Amino acid sequence: GAGVSQSPSNKVTEKGKDVELRCDPISGHTALYWYRQSLGQGLEFLIYFQGNSAPDKSGLPSDRFSAERTGGSVSTLTIQRTQQEDSAVYLCASSSGGRELYGYTFGSGTRLTVV
Amino acid sequence: TQLLEQSPQFLSIQEGENLTVYCNSSSVFSSLQWYRQEPGEGPVLLVTVVTGGEVKKLKRLTFQFGDARKDSSLHITAAQPGDTGLYLCAGSYPGNNRKLIWGLGTSLAVNP
Repeated sequence: GAGVSQSPSNKVTEKGKDVELRCDPISGHTALYWYRQSLGQGLEFLIYFQGNSAPDKSGLPSDRFSAERTGGSVSTLTIQRTQQEDSAVYLCASSSGGRELYGYTFGSGTRLTVV
Repeated sequence: TQLLEQSPQFLSIQEGENLTVYCNSSSVFSSLQWYRQEPGEGPVLLVTVVTGGEVKKLKRLTFQFGDARKDSSLHITAAQPGDTGLYLCAGSYPGNNRKLIWGLGTSLAVNP
C-alpha cells in the first residue's frame, strides 16, 4: 500500500486478556519496527525485523510480548495476559534497506487501553 | 533507555513568531532525524542530517547539525497554526545504526 497500515486503530481490553496488533508495511520495505509510545515516556523500541534475519527482540519488556512477521511483510504484535501498564499507543514503522538514513514511515498506531 | 534531551518541552507562541527547539546528547551521532507528530498520527519524517555543521532548509524550517554531531536545532520562521505538533528528534549512534534513540519531543502550539 501507499503507507503503513495498522489495525485496529483503537483497542480496549480487559486485564488478563490477550491482544493482537497488526501492521502492514509499505510494499518493498525490508525493515519493520514496533515502538510503544506513552505519555512522557517517548518512543520505546520493542522489536526490529530486517529481511530474513533473526529479529532484534531486545526491546520487548517481558515474555508476555511477542511478534512475528510472515513472508517478510505483515507483522503481528501479540501481548498475552495484558496488564494496565501495557496501555499505550503501539506504533509500527517500516523502512527500506534497514538503514536509518532513509527514515522511517510510521503507521497511525493502535491505541491500547487495558481496563 | 537512553534518550536525547529536547528543549523546551512545551512552547506556545503566536502566529508569525520565530522559534528554535534543540536536541542534545553527550554522545556523537552518526545521523539524526527530525519528525513531526500530530495527535492520533504517527511521526512523519522531516529531515535527516548526517554531516557535522550541515544545514538543511525545508520551506520555513531550518535544521542544523552541530559541528561535533552531538546536537541539533530546528528553527521555524514565521510560525503558522499548521506547524502545531510534537517535534521529535531521533539519532543513531556509530555501531548501532539500526535502532534510533528518541527524544521526548517539543510540543509546539501556534496560536492564530
